[in-house]
Amino acid sequence: DADVTQTPRNRITKTGKRIMLECSQTKGHDRMYWYRQDPGLGLRLIYYSFDVKDINKGEISDGYSVSRQAQAKFSLSLESAIPNQTALYFCATSGETSGSANEQFFGPGTRLTVL
Amino acid sequence: RKEVEQDPGPFNVPEGATVAFNCTYSNSASQSFFWYRQDCRKEPKLLMSVYSSGNEDGRFTAQLNRASQYISLLIRDSKLSDSATYLCVVNPGSYKLSFGAGTTVTVRA
Repeated sequence: DADVTQTPRNRITKTGKRIMLECSQTKGHDRMYWYRQDPGLGLRLIYYSFDVKDINKGEISDGYSVSRQAQAKFSLSLESAIPNQTALYFCATSGETSGSANEQFFGPGTRLTVL
Repeated sequence: RKEVEQDPGPFNVPEGATVAFNCTYSNSASQSFFWYRQDCRKEPKLLMSVYSSGNEDGRFTAQLNRASQYISLLIRDSKLSDSATYLCVVNPGSYKLSFGAGTTVTVRA
């Protein structure tokens, strides 16, 4: 079983719709992250959370919100989707005791298309 | 200026060849460095960390040049399975990882 799972894996929606992407992990990590990936650009951090009560904006948080429902769950919402939010979205986790101090473990990604 | 810059490639090489590529980073205070591998439409996975003295992992060799602020990856005896996009990743000293856009390598039979 995958350690980091994301649902849905693919989603097509229309401009103005509210969308939620979900992430769950069984690695027992405290730290969770949401990134988006666009062609020709590196992964860009949207939000991150170091524990259930901690939520922080990343470099491109406008138009997004998150909820850390439990240690294992971190969801990303697009309140009113727009076409330039079409991208591949990744959830990632990391733990302070990871073998490599900053290694992040990624989910399989959600491909979102906003029409 | 981007925090991490990479030649996008593609580097198209025959099986058995050696291929090498670099990335540059802008933050001289960066503390740790990594190469991640990403297969088409899949999630990135850690390939190897990059240490100051350079390090090898099988056919892969990573080097760090702090003075010139670049990191390199060399792949010897390329296999078809090495075809992927290689992401240069830099940690500037906090929670945050900065990702390059990736270098695409295609190994042909």
